Amino acid sequence: DTEVTQTPKHLVMGMTNKKSLKCEQHMGHRAMYWYKQKAKKPPELMFVYSYEKLSINESVPSRFSPECPNSSLLNLHLHALQPEDSALYLCASRPGSLSTDTQYFGPGTRLTVL
Amino acid sequence: ILNVEQSPQSLHVQEGDSTNFTCSFPSSNFYALHWYRWETAKSPEALFVMTLNGDEKKKGRISATLNTKEGYSYLYIKGSQPEDSATYLCALYSGGSNYKLTFGKGTLLTVNP
Repeated sequence: DTEVTQTPKHLVMGMTNKKSLKCEQHMGHRAMYWYKQKAKKPPELMFVYSYEKLSINESVPSRFSPECPNSSLLNLHLHALQPEDSALYLCASRPGSLSTDTQYFGPGTRLTVL
Repeated sequence: ILNVEQSPQSLHVQEGDSTNFTCSFPSSNFYALHWYRWETAKSPEALFVMTLNGDEKKKGRISATLNTKEGYSYLYIKGSQPEDSATYLCALYSGGSNYKLTFGKGTLLTVNP
């Protein structure tokens, strides 16, 4: 299994809703990433988990709450989002600790906040 | 803040044409440059990871070169096919134990049959 899966593919939520995005990989990778991408902009890093511990939070608002329950799973919990949070949310994983290790991406969740 | 620039933003070519586009990055603190191919509604797919100045990598009809001294990489596609239509992203790794990548905005390639 050499893929990163993300669910759901699409999500529409109101500003008062609580929802979660899920990311899964079974490649034994120990680093996992959340990125946000808005139209015509590059993917922007949000969070990095390394060995199931949060190692980077790129000053992301607390309405986004990441969670890494085990080495294969990464969640992003969403609460009280704003319309400007509408974007494509990408998950990635990386196998090891070499600078040449590539990041493997999922297809993303397209989030719309009404 | 690192600035990774890609040009052109978009490109239309005819099937069979060869094409190339550019990724520019700060040459200080260079560790690696990644190229990804991203088709609509699919996952970004890794093409190359380049680390050495003067390096050239090839995968089928796609190749890439790297100049770390002047801070640029070129991606070439020989004999473009409609299935090459995608956004091509480059991403810079400039050090750090979390292997953070800084992405360019991408070049959107459309190959017309």
